[in-house]
Amino acid sequence: QSALTQPASVSGSPGQSITISCTGTSSDVGAYDYVSWYQQHPGKVPKFMIYDVSYRPSGVSNRFSGSKSGNTASLTISGLQAEDEADYYCSSYTSSSTYVFGTGTKVTVL
Amino acid sequence: EVQLVESGGGLVQPGGSLKLSCAASGFTFSGFAIHWVRQASGKGLEWVGRIRSRANSYATAYAASVNGRFTVSRDDLKNTGYLQMNSLKTEDTAVYFCTRNDGTYPFDYWGQGTLVTVSS
Repeated sequence: QSALTQPASVSGSPGQSITISCTGTSSDVGAYDYVSWYQQHPGKVPKFMIYDVSYRPSGVSNRFSGSKSGNTASLTISGLQAEDEADYYCSSYTSSSTYVFGTGTKVTVL
Repeated sequence: EVQLVESGGGLVQPGGSLKLSCAASGFTFSGFAIHWVRQASGKGLEWVGRIRSRANSYATAYAASVNGRFTVSRDDLKNTGYLQMNSLKTEDTAVYFCTRNDGTYPFDYWGQGTLVTVSS
């Protein structure tokens, strides 16, 4: 099971919106609506941000939203803030009853 | 408060074995699947394996990179999950996290991780 493909880096200015893509296959992202997203600040534990493609758990800002089209899922951060600077990982359930993470995207706030 | 605390990491030689523990508290441990995820220094997250709950027959699954070498298990009476790692390779060097999944919220809580270093 290969890692899901994410851009290595995405940047934006405060207040702007950015979108991170997560491309898989018809055996993972394209097969199930079980895509989730995690935020990880340096030296910290991953934080659960989005589940089932587009649902936010309690406590996560509504500036974070998720979507999916075919084999590609996306995370959009609107109204970018300095505190959003972190690494972001997508994850998907697979047809092998396993999970796979994305390669990770470093978000920089300019 | 939900807590997951890993232990058992350390330095081991290539070909050696190590068993990690994940002590849980603050939730009904027996109702959750327990997953292990690792992260090599400066690298991304890699899903390692999981064990489901008793209701799901304690089913296990593994990443191809560790299948046949690693075994996940659990003791619901002790609220603890385990990762037995055999035939360790240098590329297994990473921080190992345990996390949980109730089928709705995947990996909503994580432990702080334990470092495993495989080196001669």
